Amino acid sequence: NAGVMQNPRHLVRRRGQEARLRCSPMKGHSHVYWYRQLPEEGLKFMVYLQKENIIDESGMPKERFSAEFPKEGPSILRIQQVVRGDSAAYFCASSEADTQYFGPGTRLTVL
Amino acid sequence: AQSVTQPDIHITVSEGASLELRCNYSYGATPYLFWYVQSPGQGLQLLLKYFSGDTLVQGIKGFEAEFKRSQSSFNLRKPSVHWSDAAEYFCAVGALYNQGGKLIFGQGTELSVKP
Repeated sequence: NAGVMQNPRHLVRRRGQEARLRCSPMKGHSHVYWYRQLPEEGLKFMVYLQKENIIDESGMPKERFSAEFPKEGPSILRIQQVVRGDSAAYFCASSEADTQYFGPGTRLTVL
Repeated sequence: AQSVTQPDIHITVSEGASLELRCNYSYGATPYLFWYVQSPGQGLQLLLKYFSGDTLVQGIKGFEAEFKRSQSSFNLRKPSVHWSDAAEYFCAVGALYNQGGKLIFGQGTELSVKP
């Protein structure tokens, strides 16, 4: 059973560009969570999704950030018009019940 | 407010020595508690979890943790540390997925192991 997959592993963008981060949950998992890890900090919750529904987006910045988990395909975290402060590691986790399993992360660098 | 505190940012122990990493939490409901480990440039691996029952839980790689409700603590222990245990350790508290599910993480404790 493959684990949580994220791609790309590393992403470099210039200020003002768009970043798209993808997350494929473990097989059979219908819950997806996105977290952001800034340098020297712990992980901070961003958004919780189930198929075609956003359940909790209380951790998402109000502007430029969006997330989806379509009926088919991976979950996408989209950051529009990136700024240097968006540079971080973005982790996706999936679960079917009570335990979240994490992917390897996408490390976003904004130049 | 819901929060997790890991008081020790960095700990160094000698290989073969015992280890205890501290974790204190503040949570309004029944806490579900987790310890994860992160190696440099990697994702998080689940070490162990506590939902209910026996307050001493065993995890992978020889780790254990004890839930103490009266102290709001969930400290991680290992009797004999190996060099490969050097990593960053995160304590987290959360709820069931049908109660929100999001995890609240501490800032992490970086473990260094001396030969």
